[in-house]
Amino acid sequence: DQQVKQNSPSLSVQEGRISILNCDYTNSMFDYFLWYKKYPAEGPTFLISISSIKDKNEDGRFTVFLNKSAKHLSLHIVPSQPGDSAVYFCAASARDDKIIFGKGTRLHILP
Amino acid sequence: DAGVIQSPRHEVTEMGQEVTLRCKPISGHDYLFWYRQTMMRGLELLIYFNNNVPIDDSGMPEDRFSAKMPNASFSTLKIQPSEPRDSAVYFCASSLGGHGYTFGSGTRLTVV
Repeated sequence: DQQVKQNSPSLSVQEGRISILNCDYTNSMFDYFLWYKKYPAEGPTFLISISSIKDKNEDGRFTVFLNKSAKHLSLHIVPSQPGDSAVYFCAASARDDKIIFGKGTRLHILP
Repeated sequence: DAGVIQSPRHEVTEMGQEVTLRCKPISGHDYLFWYRQTMMRGLELLIYFNNNVPIDDSGMPEDRFSAKMPNASFSTLKIQPSEPRDSAVYFCASSLGGHGYTFGSGTRLTVV
């Protein structure tokens, strides 16, 4: 059973617009959430994270929002750029335990 | 640092053969993880080690899979015998303290 769910396999967004990637989780013990980005033929690379004591974390064009009551988090990219085209993995962990990843969402930035 | 190094990058083997995937973690990292990526399941954790000791192997699909970490700088994932459904990209990752994983570039395994 998937504890971390990314229900959109793919997403297309116009360059310059906002990209919003969504993620839901089922385990209420999760207290640390991460987003990883993956280009073809490369391993995933860490993008941004958020602790459960916060509801927002921002790093440049990337912002992650956490809604604990809904067990939902989202990654906002604004403005979207061509280099943002990649697969994005949502991930979560509980008290320094192993990180569980979702299936990923492929983001296409359209010119 | 060269990052996490995996070999080979690509492996094509016949069904029934033994396959060994290799990983060199980042020096000083105390956690090592083996993941498998497929379209159906995304990134699945197979097993992880802390200070060379296997901590959780609940993700290992069956007895055909085994992993070892004989020292802090080397780990192997072995599949014997291999089957077509094992075809996937296998990633190794390491971390210091359990967070902030650094992934290798992966091994693409094709079993025919």
